Amino acid sequence: EAGVVQSPRYKIIEKKQPVAFWCNPISGHNTLYWYLQNLGQGPELLIRYENEEAVDDSQLPKDRFSAERLKGVDSTLKIQPAELGDSAVYLCASSLAGGYNEQFFGPGTRLTVL
Amino acid sequence: GQQLNQSPQSMFIQEGEDVSMNCTSSSIFNTWLWYKQDPGEGPVLLIALYKAGELTSNGRLTAQFGITRKDSFLNISASIPSDVGIYFCAGLSTSGTYKYIFGTGTRLKVLA
Repeated sequence: EAGVVQSPRYKIIEKKQPVAFWCNPISGHNTLYWYLQNLGQGPELLIRYENEEAVDDSQLPKDRFSAERLKGVDSTLKIQPAELGDSAVYLCASSLAGGYNEQFFGPGTRLTVL
Repeated sequence: GQQLNQSPQSMFIQEGEDVSMNCTSSSIFNTWLWYKQDPGEGPVLLIALYKAGELTSNGRLTAQFGITRKDSFLNISASIPSDVGIYFCAGLSTSGTYKYIFGTGTRLKVLA
């Protein structure tokens, strides 16, 4: 069974440029998460989707970050415009329905903002 | 954001030694997960714990859900070089919406 797929794996951009990350969850997993992982720290939740609905986006900086999961399967996380402090690893995870189930992570996208 | 305290932050051990690490919280959790993350990869789920006092094993790994529900422990027996990595705990917060809070990580290095 395929795991969580993310692309790109690495992205280098200049500040003020836009960037987008893509995630395809494990088949059958209705819940999808985007996490931010700063160097030397654990993942921190940005947004959680139950199917198409964003049920927890309280930690998403909405002035520059946006996310969508239009058909309830794959998802896109966007930053516009990117700032130097956005350099981090962006992880996608998925689980069976409900935020209390075990989460499985993708390999992440490492973003470097110059 | 909120992060759980993990101890130790890092450790160097000899191959074959046993390893113990723990994770503590000021809040009560209903579920604990333990993950391992290799450089450049996402965290991989090792063990899930659902009940206070529960002891669960996965090969050489054993984890326990603390009785107070505010802590969890992970032990690795007879460490091998491929155990190198960062180990994260995650506790399920049920205040508000369900959300896993992750620990700060324990970095393990194994000396052959």
